[in-house]
Amino acid sequence: DAGVIQSPRHEVTEMGQEVTLRCKPISGHNSLFWYRQTMMRGLELLIYFNNNVPIDDSGMPEDRFSAKMPNASFSTLKIQPSEPRDSAVYFCASSFIAGRDSPLHFGNGTRLTVT
Amino acid sequence: AQSVAQPEDQVNVAEGNPLTVKCTYSVSGNPYLFWYVQYPNRGLQFLLKYITGDNLVKGSYGFEAEFNKSQTSFHLKKPSALVSDSALYFCAVRGARGSNYQLIWGAGTKLIIKP
Repeated sequence: DAGVIQSPRHEVTEMGQEVTLRCKPISGHNSLFWYRQTMMRGLELLIYFNNNVPIDDSGMPEDRFSAKMPNASFSTLKIQPSEPRDSAVYFCASSFIAGRDSPLHFGNGTRLTVT
Repeated sequence: AQSVAQPEDQVNVAEGNPLTVKCTYSVSGNPYLFWYVQYPNRGLQFLLKYITGDNLVKGSYGFEAEFNKSQTSFHLKKPSALVSDSALYFCAVRGARGSNYQLIWGAGTKLIIKP
């Protein structure tokens, strides 16, 4: 079990640039979550997918943020244009669909720094 | 409204002593409760969960948690702390389906085990 794989691990970019974060969930998992973690706001759910379909994107902060899941083994989170306040650690997590007792399996995150 | 409270930002324990990390919750219906641990520069890892049944649940790395319905608490415990237990610990709760379905996270408690 390779776990949830995220890339890149670190991303440093200048304000205004486009940023794309990538995630490969655990094979067989059919729910995928994008979280953002900051010291000030803690862990925030941005969006989650069930069976590749976005279910709740109410946590996406602005239209600058978008997420896609073209197939069961890949998802992206895009920020365009990026701003310094987007600096955070972004986590992807996966689980078996929608069971109340299904734990989430997290990747090791992408640390984004926008200068 | 659903909520999770971890009243202590930081807990300091001497190695070999018992540890407790506190969590209280508010949710409609029967709660599903979880503990996760986060080591530096890593994603969150699932430790244990309470669904139903025995109020004392055991999890990974020798951790256990006690569900107390009357006090709406789910405190994490370990009889003898190790320096390697030093990490950030998150409590989370999931309520019934519908608007309460998503995981609600606590703010996290930093556990420091001193040799």
